Amino acid sequence: AQSVAQPEDQVNVAEGNPLTVKCTYSVSGNPYLFWYVQYPNRGLQFLLKYITGDNLVKGSYGFEAEFNKSQTSFHLKKPSALVSDSALYFCAVRDGGNMLTFGGGTRLMVKP
Amino acid sequence: KAGVTQTPRYLIKTRGQQVTLSCSPISGHRSVSWYQQTPGQGLQFLFEYFSETQRNKGNFPGRFSGRQFSNSRSEMNVSTLELGDSALYLCASRRTSGGQNNEQFFGPGTRLTVL
Repeated sequence: AQSVAQPEDQVNVAEGNPLTVKCTYSVSGNPYLFWYVQYPNRGLQFLLKYITGDNLVKGSYGFEAEFNKSQTSFHLKKPSALVSDSALYFCAVRDGGNMLTFGGGTRLMVKP
Repeated sequence: KAGVTQTPRYLIKTRGQQVTLSCSPISGHRSVSWYQQTPGQGLQFLFEYFSETQRNKGNFPGRFSGRQFSNSRSEMNVSTLELGDSALYLCASRRTSGGQNNEQFFGPGTRLTVL
């Protein structure tokens, strides 16, 4: 069975500082990894994905994620945080099938 | 291109009632998945439909059911509602079922409150 862990319920960062939101996964076979963001009273918005290829994946709104196979991690990063980045972030994994398994979510708070 | 739409956006029901939620996928998308989001359990997969057939099912009781129409629109039904069914129900669509380059796009959700 596949699983995703987001070890931090909340991450606090000052505006302009780099941010990292952590994600580790467990899946048999090759992982398809995703990051989604959710703003209040909204659905999930796709940020980026890793399927194969370069370990550093670039996505929307200046976000990027680094795939590390040996550590089974897929951490989300941004060089300079904005207050508007404050939201709930979800990491998800899909194996060769069709079902997305989500982590518990990490609330990102960016303070001015 | 219009995104995934869900109706209604908000719904209040009482225990024992049943409810039907609707989802219209992005034009050209034939796969529709449903997820339940609650503070305690997080995001949990309910089921996926593709070409009017249920392809995958999560670990939910039989009170939760769904269907998909020939135009790819999908409905989800919950019968004999319980307080614990209060949640945000999210629908997601993608072009096909399976495949690598095939991410899901989510709708805004339907917030169901069971009193």
